[in-house]
Amino acid sequence: GEDVEQSLFLSVREGDSSVINCTYTDSSSTYLYWYKQEPGAGLQLLTYIFSNMDMKQDQRLTVLLNKKDKHLSLCIADTQTGDSAIYFCAPGLGGATNKLIFGTGTLLAVQP
Amino acid sequence: DVKVTQSSRYLVKRTGEKVFLECVQDMDHENMFWYRQDPGLGLRLIYFSYDVKMKEKGDIPEGYSVSREKKERFSLILESASTNQTSMYLCASSSPTGTGNQPQHFGDGTRLSIL
Repeated sequence: GEDVEQSLFLSVREGDSSVINCTYTDSSSTYLYWYKQEPGAGLQLLTYIFSNMDMKQDQRLTVLLNKKDKHLSLCIADTQTGDSAIYFCAPGLGGATNKLIFGTGTLLAVQP
Repeated sequence: DVKVTQSSRYLVKRTGEKVFLECVQDMDHENMFWYRQDPGLGLRLIYFSYDVKMKEKGDIPEGYSVSREKKERFSLILESASTNQTSMYLCASSSPTGTGNQPQHFGDGTRLSIL
């Protein structure tokens, strides 16, 4: 079946850049999403990329997509303590329901 | 803004009880989803619904059922709660992708403890 892999933990210092990586198996994904989950909360849509794009920038966030290698990255510039959260990569399977496949999530810890 | 509301943030029930988790969305979305989230396992899909009275099993439907009598409401039912169903439950909704990018929007989650 479809699978998504992410590293479990990333620690960075405030002001540094963070890079969260994700690999996936399903090649038919049209939209690929990044969600953020703060402690005790639900998932908040952070950004997404369309499969015919290589890169998308949205303020401090940059999404990179290598479709050939099925590799997705989320880059956060000037990481702040408020960015501490779990980040989920979620490729969409398309179709009417657009089911998403979630990885384990990456816990980003930002040290002051 | 899309609003997905789950009826309880925290819930404590006893083994063997029948448990209802309720979810309501206000954006007239056709699709609704129930996930459970466990440490180290990410989100796993329990059931989803693509229309009123329509439902499909997700990856881990055992021990659960769902009900969708109205478009805005999707209920998750634990027929006879067991301790291994202690988890965080997340509801989401979306429109069909035929109209372009349609991400899923999530509620705040229900942390369910079965004693």
